[in-house]
Amino acid sequence: QSVLTQPPSVSAAPGQKVTISCSGSSSNIGKDSVSWYQHLPGTAPKLLIYDFDKRPSGIPDRFSGSKSGTSATLGITGLQTGDEADYYCGIWDNSLRNWVFGGGTKLTVL
Amino acid sequence: VQLVESGGGLVQPGGSLRLSCAGSGFTFSNYWMAWVRQAPGKGLEWVANIKQDGREKFYVGSVKGRFTISRDNARNSVYLQMNSLRVEDTAVYYCARDGNSSSWSHWGQGTLVTVSS
Repeated sequence: QSVLTQPPSVSAAPGQKVTISCSGSSSNIGKDSVSWYQHLPGTAPKLLIYDFDKRPSGIPDRFSGSKSGTSATLGITGLQTGDEADYYCGIWDNSLRNWVFGGGTKLTVL
Repeated sequence: VQLVESGGGLVQPGGSLRLSCAGSGFTFSNYWMAWVRQAPGKGLEWVANIKQDGREKFYVGSVKGRFTISRDNARNSVYLQMNSLRVEDTAVYYCARDGNSSSWSHWGQGTLVTVSS
């Protein structure tokens, strides 16, 4: 059971928008920066968002991030079949002295 | 930036394995490095990370006392010595490099560790 809670799955049609939530606490999201990762099992995970809302170079602006209190959200617009993957939030938890990932959310583009 | 893991394989419970990760295309000594794993059917799990000079190391609770992370900046490499391996350590192990604002910006392709009798 991770200290960061994500929904197990989300789905939407091609071209639509989806959001994935990541709920934490005052010892993690309340204090440090959330990052988001896209992962297809067997391949290298990819950093999508860091510091809650910043995109590394090469990541399209269809991907966005936000924070509210002790929760973070990943948004994906203009869904494509190629976006089907597992998505993880991650953060350094200062009270655990551990880096933690959320449990992951499987995105299905119907 | 490239990260290439090696050293995975099949090992019996109680055995040992040493994973290596070679970095290139960046100044290795400037970055925190980490190992992250994914067990079959499970999510990503951070295993350990190590500071630029090797003086600070952190581990997930389930591997403390069994795994040791280390680095050799002269060889642009980070290692994971895994002892007393358990069946539940079976996973693909990824090497990752620190990015901006406490994130992991670059990842290797992973190496498979299978612990089975």
